Amino acid sequence: EPEVTQTPSHQVTQMGQEVILRCVPISNHLYFYWYRQILGQKVEFLVSFYNNEISEKSEIFDDQFSVERPDGSNFTLKIRSTKLEDSAMYFCASSDEGHIHFGPGTRLTVL
Amino acid sequence: SQQGEEDPQALSIQEGENATMNCSYKTSINNLQWYRQNSGRGLVHLILIRSNEREKHSGRLRVTLDTSKKSSSLLITASRAADTASYFCATRGGGNKLTFGTGTQLKVEL
Repeated sequence: EPEVTQTPSHQVTQMGQEVILRCVPISNHLYFYWYRQILGQKVEFLVSFYNNEISEKSEIFDDQFSVERPDGSNFTLKIRSTKLEDSAMYFCASSDEGHIHFGPGTRLTVL
Repeated sequence: SQQGEEDPQALSIQEGENATMNCSYKTSINNLQWYRQNSGRGLVHLILIRSNEREKHSGRLRVTLDTSKKSSSLLITASRAADTASYFCATRGGGNKLTFGTGTQLKVEL
C-alpha cells in the first residue's frame, strides 16, 4: 500500500533558525496537510493545500509558517524563525476524498 | 468542550476483554475516522464511518455513529497487549481538514 513519507525523522535546531520539513504525499492524492502534536497533547491542524494553494489554515499557522509544493511530488513546511514552542512532532498527510493518510512524522526539537 | 472529545481519557483492561471508547463532537460532519497512535509514533488509520452510516466493522473493530447525539464509539473486541496505544477520533466537516479529539490511552495488560 502506498505511504506518505517524511524526512528527516528527527530535526534539532537552534531557536531563530529556519527549518524545512519535507514530505512526499501519496502520488494520486490531491489534498495535502500538515498537522502537529506537541508532546502529550492532541493532534492539531496547521494547514491544508489543494490545487497549488492553501485551502484552509489554523490560527497556529502564522506568518512564520509557509508551505510549498516545489515539484510534482514534494510538499514542504517551512518555519522561518523557530521558537522553543515549535518543538513538536509534525505530521504530513494526504488524501483523496476518503480517509487521510498520515506520514510517520518529523520530530522537531528547538533548543 | 471541544470538537472531538473522547472518554475515557485512559482505560486499562485485561487481555481478552473488550475495550469501548467514546467520542463526542459538536458540529456537523461528513465522516468520522478513528486513528491509533503508539507512543511517540505516527497515526495509523483504523476505520472511517460516513455520516449516513450507523455502524461499521473491520476485523475486531466495531464503530458506531449517532449523528443525532453527535457521538461515536469504537469497540475493540478480544483485546491484545499489542492494542495498547492511544486512540483518537477525528471528524471531517465541510472542508477537508480533520479535527482530532483528545484521545483515549488504552492499556491492555497480560
